[in-house]
Amino acid sequence: GNSVTQMEGPVTLSEEAFLTINCTYTATGYPSLFWYVQYPGEGLQLLLKATKADDKGSNKGFEATYRKETTSFHLEKGSVQVSDSAVYFCALSDRAAGNKLTFGGGTRVLVKP
Amino acid sequence: GAVVSQHPSWVICKSGTSVKIECRSLDFQATTMFWYRQFPKQSLMLMATSNEGSKATYEQGVEKDKFLINHASLTLSTLTVTSAHPEDSSFYICSATSGRETQYFGPGTRLLVL
Repeated sequence: GNSVTQMEGPVTLSEEAFLTINCTYTATGYPSLFWYVQYPGEGLQLLLKATKADDKGSNKGFEATYRKETTSFHLEKGSVQVSDSAVYFCALSDRAAGNKLTFGGGTRVLVKP
Repeated sequence: GAVVSQHPSWVICKSGTSVKIECRSLDFQATTMFWYRQFPKQSLMLMATSNEGSKATYEQGVEKDKFLINHASLTLSTLTVTSAHPEDSSFYICSATSGRETQYFGPGTRLLVL
């Protein structure tokens, strides 16, 4: 079956530090990959996505590249802000399974001023 | 674009009562909506998938008679928690898709059953 593994948090950083959240996946087909962000008490917001190998998704300074050879989709941001404090979820979508999302466990990020 | 709303945002009810949660796609037609449950500091658990005009498909272990899902139109799906008990207290989140793979999520509904 499909699965997503992401690094456990919490990740605590200082403002302007470099952020990396590792995400690897297992899938039987050719999934699309997503990063969602959840701010406290809210639902999930789509942060970025990539639909095929070597695609790079980017948004709000965040980037992630779909690496088929390493089955990874690591999230990076060069300079984090306090407002980036949230929980980040890596997920994959499988067309063969009706586009159901398989989520990783989430990584809590705390950015201190 | 791709905005999904949920109502109510939070609800407190007595044990044994039923609670209805609405999920609406505001600016697109949602052929498919998903309902998730999230426990504190955990990931999302898919409860069911609903397609407009047809019966919902429930994930293994989810009681369909307890969690009634109706997807009557292309912009509205409802989740009714019947005879709620304290263990049903949770954060319920819906998502919607227009048939493409990207799911857009609602802001969630926090349910507390006393």
